[in-house]
Order: sequence, then C-alpha cells, then structure tokens
Amino acid sequence: NAGVTQTPKFQVLKTGQSMTLQCAQDMNHEYMSWYRQDPGMGLRLIHYSVGAGITDQGEVPNGYNVSRSTTEDFPLRLLSAAPSQTSVYFCASSYMGQVNEQYFGPGTRLTVT
Amino acid sequence: KQEVTQIPAALSVPEGENLVLNCSFTDSAIYNLQWFRQDPGKGLTSLLLIQSSQREQTSGRLNASLDKSSGRSTLYIAASQPGDSATYLCAVGRSGSSNTGKLIFGQGTTLQVKP
Repeated sequence: NAGVTQTPKFQVLKTGQSMTLQCAQDMNHEYMSWYRQDPGMGLRLIHYSVGAGITDQGEVPNGYNVSRSTTEDFPLRLLSAAPSQTSVYFCASSYMGQVNEQYFGPGTRLTVT
Repeated sequence: KQEVTQIPAALSVPEGENLVLNCSFTDSAIYNLQWFRQDPGKGLTSLLLIQSSQREQTSGRLNASLDKSSGRSTLYIAASQPGDSATYLCAVGRSGSSNTGKLIFGQGTTLQVKP
C-alpha cells in the first residue's frame, strides 16, 4: 500500500492564481480530511469528507473548495490564492468507527507571493 | 470548545533519559486520543491511538496514558535516543454518535535528545 499520497510536494503561486492540491489513499478509508499547519497555530482542519459525495467544512474553510467523487481521491482547490494561504497542507484518512487511527500524507508546502 | 495544550513547547534531554510529554484537553467527552511524531519538513507519523474506553497503550519504548476525568494524556519515552528527536503532537478526536474523525491538535512538544 502507498498509504496517503499528496502532490505536488512544493508549489509557488502568485496572488490570484488557482490550483488544486491532490490527495489519494489506497486503504479504502471512508474518512478523508485536509489540514493546514502554520507556525504558532498548529494544525487546523479545512474540510473533511465521510464518504464519496459527502463533504463538510472544518475550522478554516474560507478560500478552499473540496469534492469527493471517489473513495480514493479528495482534492483541495484554492480558488484565488492569497498570501495568507501560504502554509503546509496535509491530507489525512481513516476508517470510520471506534478504531479510526488517522494516517497523514507527506504534505504540500505552498507559498503564495 | 475543545482546546488541546502541550507543555513544554520544547525539551532537551541527554541520551538514555526517560521522559514524559504532557497533553491536556478541556472537554473530557472525547472519542479517542492520538499521538503523532513529526520530523522537520515531513508529515505526521501515528505513534499510538488510545480509545476513550482505554487507559493506556504501549508500543516498544513508548507508553501513552489517558485520564479523561482530569483531561490529561502523557507520552512516556523510555531510554531516549538521538533518533527520538522530533516534534510530538497529540490530537483529540471528538465524541458523538457519528464519529466524523475530526481531530483537534495541540501545538506540539519539540524534543531534542543529545548524544
């Protein structure tokens, strides 16, 4: 199993550009989520999904869109990048249920200039 | 609102020492608690998951305990090694009839183990 994979590893955008961060998992996990990690702020939940076709907002959803058309993939779209979105983005997945140990991808380091 | 705090923010110890990392949370109605390790510039690696009905979990030199009544968890690392140097994060899963897996993270303890 590849686990949770994320692409790209690094990205530089100009303010106003849009892009999609890719996330995929091969563990047949129902639950997938996106976090951003910022110095002094820790990890904060952006969006999450409990299954294909179902998404919901987390703590910091503004400026981001998600969709979940398959169990395996959960892309995160930045609609119009802003410098405040400079961060490291992590995707995570787990089974639903009591033993829902979460697995994280390697992260995407995004810089918006 | 659930808040998770980790103290200290940084810790430096000589090799071989046993050490304890602390995690506290404000709402005891948690579903589970997970400890992670993060190396610089890397992703999060799951170390231990404690369900709300459990009091502790062990993996090798690591032992994590959970006391919901006091809102605390500790991660005990025995016989520390330089390779243990990393940031350790605890995260609390919310309680509820339908667990959506959302985690609330502490800000981490950065551990340095000196040879």
